[in-house]
Amino acid sequence: DAKTTQPPSMDCAEGRAANLPCNHSTISGNEYVYWYRQIHSQGPQYIIHGLKNNETNEMASLIITEDRKSSTLILPHATLRDTAVYYCIVRVGGSNYQLIWGAGTKLIIKP
Amino acid sequence: EAEVAQSPRYKITEKSQAVAFWCDPISGHATLYWYRQILGQGPELLVQFQDESVVDDSQLPKDRFSAERLKGVDSTLKIQPAELGDSAMYLCASSPRRDYREQFFGPGTRLTVL
Repeated sequence: DAKTTQPPSMDCAEGRAANLPCNHSTISGNEYVYWYRQIHSQGPQYIIHGLKNNETNEMASLIITEDRKSSTLILPHATLRDTAVYYCIVRVGGSNYQLIWGAGTKLIIKP
Repeated sequence: EAEVAQSPRYKITEKSQAVAFWCDPISGHATLYWYRQILGQGPELLVQFQDESVVDDSQLPKDRFSAERLKGVDSTLKIQPAELGDSAMYLCASSPRRDYREQFFGPGTRLTVL
């Protein structure tokens, strides 16, 4: 059973906000949600992380639902350079925690 | 800007041979990670070091994989013997933090096992 669920692909028009959802219903109460992205043929790049409150930095905003079972990454003004695979990452488990990267969402920004 | 270095960038080997990958993290980063990424999938954490100590190797196939970071700086990941299913990108990342945020990734080593 998947630990995180993300849509496999999304399109967004350049200049518009890109909203990328992630379901993580098995997340533990004290575990963070992390977001990374991977541009083609490069290593992943850290974007943002959060626990309970909404977070914002120079790259993106992160909205976490009150029950913490899902989150949304928001790129406020998407550019062509934001085309990448976006990963929602959580650490789940009981006695044996595992860091789980989902399959990611391929975000394509269109001119 | 400081970067994580990895070598080799590409490695082709035959089944049952031994292979080794090297990673030099960003100076001052105490935390080092090794990941495996199969084409079309997200990275899978293999091992996490804090300085020279292993803090998480729960997903490392210990019958054939080993990792070390003897002086708490650079690190080596070894596979012996290599199997066809080991073909993947092996990524190294380092971080100044103990949790999973702000990981800086290297370019990776693309392994092909024939």
